[in-house]
Formats: sequence, structure tokens, C-alpha cells
Amino acid sequence: SYGLTQPPSVSVAPGETARITCGGYKIGDRRVHWYQQKAGQAPIVVVYDDADRPSEIPERFSGSNSGSTATLTITRVDAGDEADYFCQVWDGSQDHVVFGGGTKLTIL
Amino acid sequence: QVQLVESGGGVVKPGGSLRLSCAASGFTFTDFYMGWIRRAPGKGLEWISYIGPNSHFTNVADSVKGRFTISRDNAKRSLYLQMTNLRGEDTALYYCARSKAGVGPHPNWFDPWGQGTQVTVSS
Repeated sequence: SYGLTQPPSVSVAPGETARITCGGYKIGDRRVHWYQQKAGQAPIVVVYDDADRPSEIPERFSGSNSGSTATLTITRVDAGDEADYFCQVWDGSQDHVVFGGGTKLTIL
Repeated sequence: QVQLVESGGGVVKPGGSLRLSCAASGFTFTDFYMGWIRRAPGKGLEWISYIGPNSHFTNVADSVKGRFTISRDNAKRSLYLQMTNLRGEDTALYYCARSKAGVGPHPNWFDPWGQGTQVTVSS
């Protein structure tokens, strides 16, 4: 089955840029979606189809996808960005939705 | 506004059954795929099942195959998850979520999600 690999944790200082990766075999050939889940809240999508952003999501959030790695980039991070982030793709060979293991973003 | 409200969770003994429900409002229910996703304590998100707009396309994760069944009632704008032979590892917060179709007959990204209903399997 198709697997997605995310670093368990990423830490950045306020005002810096956070980059969260999602690795998978030829993931660049798939559409990647990213979710943010804050403590006690339901997940929300922050980037879909690799790089598109819902209108309510700040421009500080962006996505890219090529080769074997997709990346969620958050610029000028602040305490409000502290959350778990998950990538997700569709695995057509198994007819399954696949989530990455998640990355805990900590703002120092 | 678009709203998804789950219900039906609770505490159940191993081997027991539960039926989760998700009431949808604020959008044309029959235009969307629907899915169930769970998050167990200390773990990440795990996709459980999806169902197409007219129930023609469905699938479940290998971890629950043969035990969980997804269904929907478009007239009632409701999504369901019948869970049988529950195990301790099924303990989790269960979310329902909406999805537009992808390039083919399958879900794409999930938006929005409900607030979840807690399922605890314990003797």
C-alpha cells in the first residue's frame, strides 16, 4: 500500500519560516492536500491540490509538490500556527485515502 | 452555513457494536462524497471509509474491512457508520467529512469536518 512519510516534529521561532515535508513514491504525480489540526479542534484544509489555498487561509500558507516530496511552507509563523499538520493523497491502486503520519509544529 | 454533526459514540465492550450518524446541513448533500476519518489517542489521522453521492462507490480501510460498513440516506441528509466486532484499537474520535469528487469516481480533499464523536472500546 502507498505510504506517506512526515517528520514527527518541526520547531521554529516566531517570524521564521516553517517547512513541513511529506515524502512518498512519485508523490509529484499525485495531488497532495494538507490539513491543520489544533488541539481540541477538528482538522481544516489549509492547502489542496498541491498548492491551492482556501480563501479563508492566509497567504502565509503555501504548498509545492515535485518528485518524491511535497512541502507545506508557512512563512512568518506565530503562536497561532502551533498545531498538527497532515498530508493526504488518493491511492488509486488500492482505492484508498492515505494520510501521512502527521507533524507537530512547535513555535519556540 | 455548511455543518456536519456526528452522534452515536459511546463506551462499548470489546466485540460490541455501535452505529455512528452524521447529520449534514447547509449544502446539496447529493453533490458530495462523504467520509469517516478517526484519530486515536496519541496517533494521527486514519481514513476509515468513503461513499459516493449515490452510494455506488464505497470503500473501507483494511483495518476495519469486514467489521465497519458505511451508508448514507440522501433523503435524510445523513451519513452512517455501522461498527461491529469492536476492538480496543478502534478507540478514537470519529469525524465525518465532506469531499468533492476527484478526477475520477473517488473523494478528493475533505472540507469541512464535523467536531467528531468519541468511541471508547473497553471492558
